[in-house]
Amino acid sequence: TQLLEQSPQFLSIQEGENLTVYCNSSSVFSSLQWYRQEPGEGPVLLVTVVTGGEVKKLKRLTFQFGDARKDSSLHITAAQPGDTGLYLCAGEMTDKLIFGTGTRLQVFP
Amino acid sequence: GAVVSQHPSWVICKSGTSVKIECRSLDFQATTMFWYRQFPKQSLMLMATSNEGSKATYEQGVEKDKFLINHASLTLSTLTVTSAHPEDSSFYICSAAGQGGNEQYFGPGTRLTVT
Repeated sequence: TQLLEQSPQFLSIQEGENLTVYCNSSSVFSSLQWYRQEPGEGPVLLVTVVTGGEVKKLKRLTFQFGDARKDSSLHITAAQPGDTGLYLCAGEMTDKLIFGTGTRLQVFP
Repeated sequence: GAVVSQHPSWVICKSGTSVKIECRSLDFQATTMFWYRQFPKQSLMLMATSNEGSKATYEQGVEKDKFLINHASLTLSTLTVTSAHPEDSSFYICSAAGQGGNEQYFGPGTRLTVT
């Protein structure tokens, strides 16, 4: 059973478009992290959100943690080809990370 | 930032043989290391958690006798896939966390192909 469901699974867009990726669960997490992974490499941490309702911005990326700490979203403004990759959310639970199902993003020039 | 390395980066082995994968924290002491497996086009699945000097804790469904984990020092953990079979072919990723730290630092992964 996958605790963290991401949507959409795949996203193919043109450069300059905006997009939102969702990460949903019925479980409460002490923190939630977002990673980006390129093919053949390990995941790279983008952000950690800890407080319910927290919003963090990283250049064109905006991350939000749900009030109940069960869900999160990642919004990318004006996507660029360099944003292409696999985006993974991961919830921290009892000192372990539970990874989401993943969203594969492709941005065409 | 904290750096974690894995060796080898890729390995091909014959069915029935054993393969050892190393995970090293290069610039910090890792009290806890984690091993994940990632099948093509899928997410990371936690296999086991190892603390330095103690036995690893395996996730449900992961055979501890098949995936041997050793965390003998604060900078090195090894995963040995014993009697490998083609279905063990996967991308194996380790991560390391320092004492008192919640953040995990991920290695670059090891691609295992069993023929």
